[in-house]
Amino acid sequence: EIVLTQSPGTLSLSPGESATLSCRASQSVPTNYLAWYQQKPGQAPRLLIFGASRRATGIPDRFSGSGSGTDFTLTISRLEPEDFAVYYCQQYGSSPPNTFGQGTKLEIK
Amino acid sequence: QVHLVESGGGLVRPGGSLRLSCAVSGFTFSDYYMTWIRQAPGKGLEWLSCISPAGLTTFYADSVKGRFTISRDNTNNSLSLLISSLRADDTAVYYCARALYDATAYSPLDYWGQGTLVIVSS
Repeated sequence: EIVLTQSPGTLSLSPGESATLSCRASQSVPTNYLAWYQQKPGQAPRLLIFGASRRATGIPDRFSGSGSGTDFTLTISRLEPEDFAVYYCQQYGSSPPNTFGQGTKLEIK
Repeated sequence: QVHLVESGGGLVRPGGSLRLSCAVSGFTFSDYYMTWIRQAPGKGLEWLSCISPAGLTTFYADSVKGRFTISRDNTNNSLSLLISSLRADDTAVYYCARALYDATAYSPLDYWGQGTLVIVSS
């Protein structure tokens, strides 16, 4: 089972700044099948990025994903007030379980 | 339009059983892997189980193997999760979700229900 570790646990930034979130895997994620989700309080998660760098339908281009192997990054440029949420990575490249990271909370500074 | 609606949550005594359901619409249910995920209060997402389109293949997280049973009814576009021997740490919001790609478990999850809350307490 691939274990995903996200850092930092909490990131405090101001609107307009850029955010860099990290997701590290305990072993290489096959085919870079790594996704990122955004979750706001009281809501279900929303798919942002899949295949490490492909934006899901309707996701603004200020969200970008990068990385390969064991190290992946979600970058959010020009933070908007609605971007402050919890972000999770998930790998789906190995046989299930398709594990999630523990999450990074992006909060307003 | 794709919709997933979970039901069946509630207050349950420790040791009891519960069946959660997920009613779907807006897509060809029988083409997709479906997944259950849960989230304990104030905690992160935990992947639980998924089932193949025809229901012939299932996968479980080690933490729930033997207590959770996933199933589906493609005639009625419904997904289920039977939870037995409920414990306090099963208290969570339970989500069903659809795979982005059809016919494969190697897929992110693009549509999620709103979740159903299960509380295990005496």
